[in-house]
Amino acid sequence: KAGVTQTPRYLIKTRGQQVTLSCSPISGHRSVSWYQQTPGQGLQFLFEYFSETQRNKGNFPGRFSGRQFSNSRSEMNVSTLELGDSALYLCASSLASGSGADTQYFGPGTRLTVL
Amino acid sequence: SQQGEEDPQALSIQEGENATMNCSYKTSINNLQWYRQNSGRGLVHLILIRSNEREKHSGRLRVTLDTSKKSSSLLITASRAADTASYFCATDRGNKLTFGGGTRVLVKP
Repeated sequence: KAGVTQTPRYLIKTRGQQVTLSCSPISGHRSVSWYQQTPGQGLQFLFEYFSETQRNKGNFPGRFSGRQFSNSRSEMNVSTLELGDSALYLCASSLASGSGADTQYFGPGTRLTVL
Repeated sequence: SQQGEEDPQALSIQEGENATMNCSYKTSINNLQWYRQNSGRGLVHLILIRSNEREKHSGRLRVTLDTSKKSSSLLITASRAADTASYFCATDRGNKLTFGGGTRVLVKP
């Protein structure tokens, strides 16, 4: 099976712009989660989507949003970019079997630089 | 905020030695997962241990979980240069992972 893919891999934007990142989960996985990784804050949970609905949300401002399509692919959007949004954005997918023991598989990440 | 705290923050060992890192967390969990990250790339899943399990093995990896102490440990035996990476524990509550700060492991050839 192909792994989780994320596009683009690298992105440079300027303050005030907006950006959309894309994630394709492993085939058959229904849950997609997004994480932000920065040197200062480490890995932080952004949100999780399941069956096109946001099921969990982290502690991020409303500038961060996402959606999931019927094929489980997901996008996240960041509007009005700030310098502090520079980070590695990681997407993870899982079966969401309801067993309480679902492994989350991560993509390679999108490196966003805000100038 | 991060739920887990890893200890030590950094570890330097010779090839062939064992590496042990610890993780503590604060709240109840469904399971705990360990991940490896090479140089700012994506996270590679290593092992998942359920809250009702005490020990789990996978190849050269051994993970323990003590829910009464809210702690876990990851042991890498017979380390190799390719094990050089950052290792993260993550607690799972409802498919939401909360990560620790990670342990940076350097394996010198």
